[in-house]
Amino acid sequence: AQSVTQLGSHVSVSEGALVLLRCNYSSSVPPYLFWYVQYPNQGLQLLLKYTSAATLVKGINGFEAEFKKSETSFHLTIPSAHMSDAAEYFCAVKPGGYNKLIFGAGTRLAVHP
Amino acid sequence: ETGVTQTPRHLVMGMTNKKSLKCEQHLGHNAMYWYKQSAKKPLELMFVYSLEERVENNSVPSRFSPECPNSSHLFLHLHTLQPEDSALYLCASSQDLLAGLNEQFFGPGTRLTVL
Repeated sequence: AQSVTQLGSHVSVSEGALVLLRCNYSSSVPPYLFWYVQYPNQGLQLLLKYTSAATLVKGINGFEAEFKKSETSFHLTIPSAHMSDAAEYFCAVKPGGYNKLIFGAGTRLAVHP
Repeated sequence: ETGVTQTPRHLVMGMTNKKSLKCEQHLGHNAMYWYKQSAKKPLELMFVYSLEERVENNSVPSRFSPECPNSSHLFLHLHTLQPEDSALYLCASSQDLLAGLNEQFFGPGTRLTVL
C-alpha cells in the first residue's frame, strides 16, 4: 500500500534559517507528489507539486522541493524562514489512478526571532 | 464567495444531537471530498463524490452520512456521535477524478467537538 512518512513532527528554527522538511513515500507506480501548508485555523493550501517534468520544483515564496527517485523522497526546503512560515506542512502522494491523495502526518514548523 | 467554503466553522454537539456540516465550492469542479483531521494523525479520506455520485466510502461509521445534492454542494450529516469523533472536518474539491495533476482545493474546515 502507498504511504507517506514525514520525519519530525515538530521543527523549530530561528528566523532566517534554512529549513528542510523531510518526506519519503512508498508507491508502486510513479507518483504525483505534493506539499500543502496549513496555517492556524485554516484549510490546506497547495505549495508545490511534482509533475515529472523536473526533479527540482519551485513554489511560491522561494519554497522548493526536490524529487529523488532513488531515495523515494520529496523534501521541502525553505531557504530563509520567516515568522509567517510558522504552520503545519503536509506531504501527499497521488499514486496514480483516480484523484486520491495520501497524506503524511504533517510537520509543525515553529519560527522564533 | 470564492474557492471552497464550509459552515459552520465551529460546532459543539452532544452525543445525542443531529447536526450537518455544509461545504460549497465555487470553482465549477465535479469532484468533492470529505476528510477528517485528528490530532497527531494523518488526514483521513472519508468520502469521495464525482458528479454527485459517491465513489468511495472508507469504512466510515454509519453515524456519518454524506449527501451531495449537486456538484457544488456537499453535506455531512452527523448523528449519535462519539467524543472520539471530535476533529477538524475538511472539505475539498477538484476538477474531476481523472488521473493527472488534479489539484484538490480545500475549505477552511469545521472544528467539531463532541461532548
